[in-house]
Amino acid sequence: GEDVEQSLFLSVREGDSSVINCTYTDSSSTYLYWYKQEPGAGLQLLTYIFSNMDMKQDQRLTVLLNKKDKHLSLRIADTQTGDSAIYFCAEQDTGRRALTFGSGTRLQVQP
Amino acid sequence: EAGVAQSPRYKIIEKRQSVAFWCNPISGHATLYWYQQILGQGPKLLIQFQNNGVVDDSQLPKDRFSAERLKGVDSTLKIQPAKLEDSAVYLCASSLGDRDNSPLHFGNGTRLTVT
Repeated sequence: GEDVEQSLFLSVREGDSSVINCTYTDSSSTYLYWYKQEPGAGLQLLTYIFSNMDMKQDQRLTVLLNKKDKHLSLRIADTQTGDSAIYFCAEQDTGRRALTFGSGTRLQVQP
Repeated sequence: EAGVAQSPRYKIIEKRQSVAFWCNPISGHATLYWYQQILGQGPKLLIQFQNNGVVDDSQLPKDRFSAERLKGVDSTLKIQPAKLEDSAVYLCASSLGDRDNSPLHFGNGTRLTVT
């Protein structure tokens, strides 16, 4: 079955880069997503990558995909205090198009 | 465009009571999802609708949970009777659903506390 795993916590200093990692099991996943959740809010779509790509850059965000190892990462350049949140990795099932989420990585940015 | 609307934002009930949540998806989005997010966990799919038909309800505890999307737009999720372990945030999401890349757009959720 589908399973998505993430590390629970990451702490960085303001201005540093953050790298959040994710592994998934479903080799038929076509798209992989990163969502951000701030306290008391829903999930905000950050970015996504198609499974035949290995990198995607969007302003301060860089997504790297290693399809062979089923490993996905999100790099945030010049991390700001406003980036403090929980980040969820998700894979999209080809047929149903529903998303399977990891447990989330809490990013804490220290001033 | 207006986002996914959910109500209420918060609900506190006692166990064995019933509760209902409402969701209005983004206009034109054919697919609607209900997810349950327990504190400290990622969201888990409860049910997926395509227009007014159910695509997947395999994870919905059907002895107590029900959902409908009668006219293919708004949806309601009901719990009857509630248990303590139903305390969670219930998130509604919608997507165009007509292509492989159909990102889900989420509402702010309803936080349910069962005492």
